[in-house]
Formats: sequence, structure tokens, C-alpha cells
Amino acid sequence: DQQVKQNSPSLSVQEGRISILNCDYTNSMFDYFLWYKKYPAEGPTFLISISSIKDKNEDGRFTVFLNKSAKHLSLHIVPSQPGDSAVYFCAASGGENSGGSNYKLTFGKGTLLTVNP
Amino acid sequence: DTGVSQDPRHKITKRGQNVTFRCDPISEHNRLYWYRQTLGQGPEFLTYFQNEAQLEKSRLLSDRFSAERPKGSFSTLEIQRTEQGDSAMYLCASSLFRVTEAFFGQGTRLTVV
Repeated sequence: DQQVKQNSPSLSVQEGRISILNCDYTNSMFDYFLWYKKYPAEGPTFLISISSIKDKNEDGRFTVFLNKSAKHLSLHIVPSQPGDSAVYFCAASGGENSGGSNYKLTFGKGTLLTVNP
Repeated sequence: DTGVSQDPRHKITKRGQNVTFRCDPISEHNRLYWYRQTLGQGPEFLTYFQNEAQLEKSRLLSDRFSAERPKGSFSTLEIQRTEQGDSAMYLCASSLFRVTEAFFGQGTRLTVV
């Protein structure tokens, strides 16, 4: 049972345009969501996160949107740059008071983003 | 470099052999996590330490797997009698508080032939 789903294995965009990566989850106990970027043969690098009490968090070119009722979040990258080309993982965690685990991240399968010059 | 360090970066072993990986967390981090990533999948939780205590183990961690964190510092992950299905990237992460603040190491790529 996959609790975090990234249904698009890959996405290709032109440099300067917007990249939108999507993620759906099924576990209503999740209360914190993160996006990681991963290059081949390296570990995941934290990009941006959002608490379930918010619906938007912005950091420079990266914005994460959370729609709790739809159990859906998305990562927007504007403008996209060739250096953004990597695999992006959506991850979720449950908080201490939510009944979910606060020691475990549940990851999606990832989306390979390719930004073409 | 004060990040999470994993050794070796790559390991090729024959089926049936034992392997051991090491993880050195960020020095002040008391929480340490092991994850495994297979091809086409996201990282999957294996186990979690708080200081030297192993507080949680995933069902993925079969009897052939053992993890330790003596003295709450570095950690080792041992796989006995390796199988081809063990081929994966083994990731270590550490944090001071919540897992949502964890930093990941570069991983150990295991290939079982």
C-alpha cells in the first residue's frame, strides 16, 4: 500500500518555464510534507517543506502548495533552470501528537525532472 | 566536511557473503536513520536509533539484517548471507530532533552478484 504517490515518473520542461511536480497521499495522519532533490549516486537533499496547518510555503524559486482536502501537494519551480534537472521525491511524516510516526519519512517513487536549455 | 558520512560508497559482493556498512552522523545529532532505495523506488525506512537505542525496525529488516550504534556515535548495518534482492542504495540520515530535519549521507551502493 503506497501511502505517498508520485504518478508522473518524468517531466520535461524548457529552461525559464514553470515546472510543476505533483504528489498525492492517502494517510490522513501525515502532518508534515517535504520535497527532496536527488542526483544519481548521491543522497537526497532537502529542498522545501510544509506543515499541514499551512497551504503554501515559498523559498526563492520553489513553492510548495498543500491541499489537505484533496490530500495533494505540488512543487512549483519558477523559473526552471538546467541545474534543476534531478529526481524529486515527495515525502511525508506524522507528528508526535497525530498518532503517526515522527521518526519515519514515507517517500514517493520520485519524478525525474529534465530542464532543457 | 561535517555532513553525514557513509563508507564504503560502493560495494560489490558475491551472493551469500556478509557485508557491513558504516555511517558517521553529524556529530551533535542523537538520532540516526537507515533507509534503503531500490531501483525505481523512493527510499524506504529500515530502522531508527535515538542515541544507542534502536527504537524502531521496519518489517523490511529481515533476520539477516542487523544494525548497531555503539555509544550513540557511528552506526553499522550488517547484511548476512546477501541475496541479489539486497542490491540497493543504503542511505543513512541523522537529525538532532525530528526526522523532518534530517540530513542524508551520500549512500552506499550495494551490488550482489
